Amino acid sequence: DAKTTQPNSMESNEEEPVHLPCNHSTISGTDYIHWYRQLPSQGPEYVIHGLTSNVNNRMASLAIAEDRKSSTLILHRATLRDAAVYYCILRDVWGYGGATNKLIFGTGTLLAVQP
Amino acid sequence: GAGVSQSPRYKVAKRGQDVALRCDPISGHVSLFWYQQALGQGPEFLTYFQNEAQLDKSGLPSDRFFAERPEGSVSTLKIQRTQQEDSAVYLCASSLGTGGNTIYFGEGSWLTVV
Repeated sequence: DAKTTQPNSMESNEEEPVHLPCNHSTISGTDYIHWYRQLPSQGPEYVIHGLTSNVNNRMASLAIAEDRKSSTLILHRATLRDAAVYYCILRDVWGYGGATNKLIFGTGTLLAVQP
Repeated sequence: GAGVSQSPRYKVAKRGQDVALRCDPISGHVSLFWYQQALGQGPEFLTYFQNEAQLDKSGLPSDRFFAERPEGSVSTLKIQRTQQEDSAVYLCASSLGTGGNTIYFGEGSWLTVV
């Protein structure tokens, strides 16, 4: 499985934008870029995903580099409730070779939000 | 509720004891995953079911770990002769289909082996 590299931790101030980077230099053409986050004492939750084009939803935006070797999760206005571990995950959804399309987590980025 | 439900939420087991952890996926979800998460680490994949078929058990750490989903809905993860290194949060997740559908996680079962 293709791997991702994320900073161990980041800090932000409340109501300011946050840019969480992710490097994935070995991404393949069929890998989607997924972001999940895990709030304290909870299971991971889906945030956003994309393939090539930038994506927006009610939670966040995903900016994907033209060569797809990196991406950035953007929280437009951080709140205290956004404090969590953010995971950037590559996921081959075509299931080649019987792959189960499981999520392979790294250690993620721990985001602290200061009031 | 409409989410993935896990029980028990907390379990303390004595070393050598057998434990069973239950997962109720979202109704109608075909895919079911089990993950193990040690303190300070990301979740690690254990096993995957498509309906009642266990298609991937590559992440199960030893033959003491066994999972089943006999009717394609509820799943049970069983750990025999628990050891201290089994202490972790066990997360269950489900998704509607078998492709790139969003995966929904439960809150986990926190296992402490003493």
